[in-house]
Amino acid sequence: ETGVTQTPRHLVMGMTNKKSLKCEQHLGHNAMYWYKQSAKKPLELMFVYNFKEQTENNSVPSRFSPECPNSSHLFLHLHTLQPEDSALYLCASSQDLLGADTQYFGPGTRLTVL
Amino acid sequence: GDSVTQMEGPVTLSEEAFLTINCTYTATGYPSLFWYVQYPGEGLQLLLKATKADDKGSNKGFEATYRKETTSFHLEKGSVQVSDSAVYFCALSFSGGYNKLIFGAGTRLAVHP
Repeated sequence: ETGVTQTPRHLVMGMTNKKSLKCEQHLGHNAMYWYKQSAKKPLELMFVYNFKEQTENNSVPSRFSPECPNSSHLFLHLHTLQPEDSALYLCASSQDLLGADTQYFGPGTRLTVL
Repeated sequence: GDSVTQMEGPVTLSEEAFLTINCTYTATGYPSLFWYVQYPGEGLQLLLKATKADDKGSNKGFEATYRKETTSFHLEKGSVQVSDSAVYFCALSFSGGYNKLIFGAGTRLAVHP
């Protein structure tokens, strides 16, 4: 248990659906991250938030829409996804954005797009 | 650009064998280096880290030494257990700035009794 929870753990959706992934951290951290983990590819950083403000969008398509209402919660809203978006989506948090702080990861949401 | 290269897996070992997973990096500055581990069905967990040259990170019997001259951070364990079966990721980030982790592709380790 790392102090970062994600729901749901598994999600199957069609290309026309709208769904949301949720992440919550209980560590009092200020920074939160979304990563995409696809088979046989390195983890890809998607978004970074620091004190609820988005600080990085790593050229992610607009069909992925993040939301960070407070420092403890992070959402990833999904709409009109493609089958190639099927992957494990990992949330992480760290104390701060500066420096080589340890990032703590949640268990991930396994997303399948039909 | 900055990058991390790991040996391709899977690595298959018998219990109590010696483990080495190679990791090399390319970076414009002096990064901090990390090893993360992902057990089946779980997210990534920090295994160990080193923040400057010649530092040795260690945890749970695993060790890695930051070698600036060879730009390497190889992971070693003297005697692996079945419970060490997982995917291991090498990563870097820069201490002086943005906390952005750059990961290698991961190496799967399978340990058999």
